[in-house]
Amino acid sequence: QQQVKQSPQSLIVQKGGISIINCAYENTAFDYFPWYQQFPGKGPALLIAIRPDVSEKKEGRFTISFNKSAKQFSLHIMDSQPGDSATYFCGGSQGNLIFGKGTKLSVKP
Amino acid sequence: DAGVTQSPTHLIKTRGQHVTLRCSPISGHKSVSWYQQVLGQGPQFIFQYYEKEERGRGNFPDRFSARQFPNYSSELNVNALLLGDSALYLCASSFRPQGQPQHFGDGTRLSIL
Repeated sequence: QQQVKQSPQSLIVQKGGISIINCAYENTAFDYFPWYQQFPGKGPALLIAIRPDVSEKKEGRFTISFNKSAKQFSLHIMDSQPGDSATYFCGGSQGNLIFGKGTKLSVKP
Repeated sequence: DAGVTQSPTHLIKTRGQHVTLRCSPISGHKSVSWYQQVLGQGPQFIFQYYEKEERGRGNFPDRFSARQFPNYSSELNVNALLLGDSALYLCASSFRPQGQPQHFGDGTRLSIL
């Protein structure tokens, strides 16, 4: 049973544009929702995270929007840069992390 | 400050062999989790340890085992290796086992021939 569904699988955005990645979860016991960024050959790096009692969290160019009733959350990357090109994973946690399958983002100069 | 460190970085084994992977958490972190990441997929949860006790186990066979030491470092052991065990094995640490950011190491790349 896949508990976290992530879309799209891949995304191409022009430099300066907005990248949007969506996730839907099933387990209402999740109490923590992180986003990770992973470059080839590296482990996932925590980007930003949100708890279900908050509807939005912004850190620099990165924003999480959270809709508890719809069991959905999304990552917005404003002013996308070529250096943002990486694979992004959403997750849900009540202890152990359940990850989505990932979105490969390519930002074209 | 040092992040999560894992050793070795790469490992090549043959089917049927045994492997031990090691992880040192961030200083002060008492919870360690292990994940398996197959190419092109998200990491899958294997084990979580907190204060040397197993707190959770994912859907992996009994060939997989782990332990946590008094200094909070951890080992993941895999017996009777199969070709399908080829993956990146990631370790993550956090202050506590729930509701806390997990910080990952760069993993051990295990290849089974």
